[in-house]
Amino acid sequence: DTAVSQTPKYLVTQMGNDKSIKCEQNLGHDTMYWYKQDSKKFLKIMFSYNNKELIINETVPNRFSPKSPDKAHLNLHINSLELGDSAVYFCASNKQGEGYTFGSGTRLTVV
Amino acid sequence: KQEVTQIPAALSVPEGENLVLNCSFTDSAIYNLQWFRQDPGKGLTSLLLIQSSQREQTSGRLNASLDKSSGRSTLYIAASQPGDSATYLCAVRPGYSTLTFGKGTMLLVSP
Repeated sequence: DTAVSQTPKYLVTQMGNDKSIKCEQNLGHDTMYWYKQDSKKFLKIMFSYNNKELIINETVPNRFSPKSPDKAHLNLHINSLELGDSAVYFCASNKQGEGYTFGSGTRLTVV
Repeated sequence: KQEVTQIPAALSVPEGENLVLNCSFTDSAIYNLQWFRQDPGKGLTSLLLIQSSQREQTSGRLNASLDKSSGRSTLYIAASQPGDSATYLCAVRPGYSTLTFGKGTMLLVSP
């Protein structure tokens, strides 16, 4: 299946821990993204990345860092997790000029 | 900065009705506009993508229109069914940035 895949689907962890969420796309897209959906269901861009440029939303704490080993992967690493980081995180990708394809999301709960 | 507004925030209709969901955006310099559907606890499913040069797109019972000059888009759903119940999200791609979302319209179609 051609898709954007995220793992894990659910992640429960304690405050202060470091965790990573993985994202892979097999669509041949050149740009990947991370979005955060808060408790009010509002989706907000965190990062966009292609092989040339990383664009960071200035409101994202520097505890969050994207890591891209290759064009098909964009992982999200979070240091020193806080309660307020609890949310659903969505990975997405697209080819320039085309629509976005989203993964099914990772529900992060920080306790 | 682009802002996207969706009206109404929630809508409840009986099965079989035709309905219109509205989306407005503040900056008309957009690349394209995309409508998504999100089921509870699930990811985003792309419904329709309208490029800035297009006026409308159709897929089955769905029709999306775009009036760039007035900053408006509508999603028309014909002959609604209970399976259409979901949150519908409008997102615009400004020429200078990534996909920006509205807060969605939660649709409930009752049998």
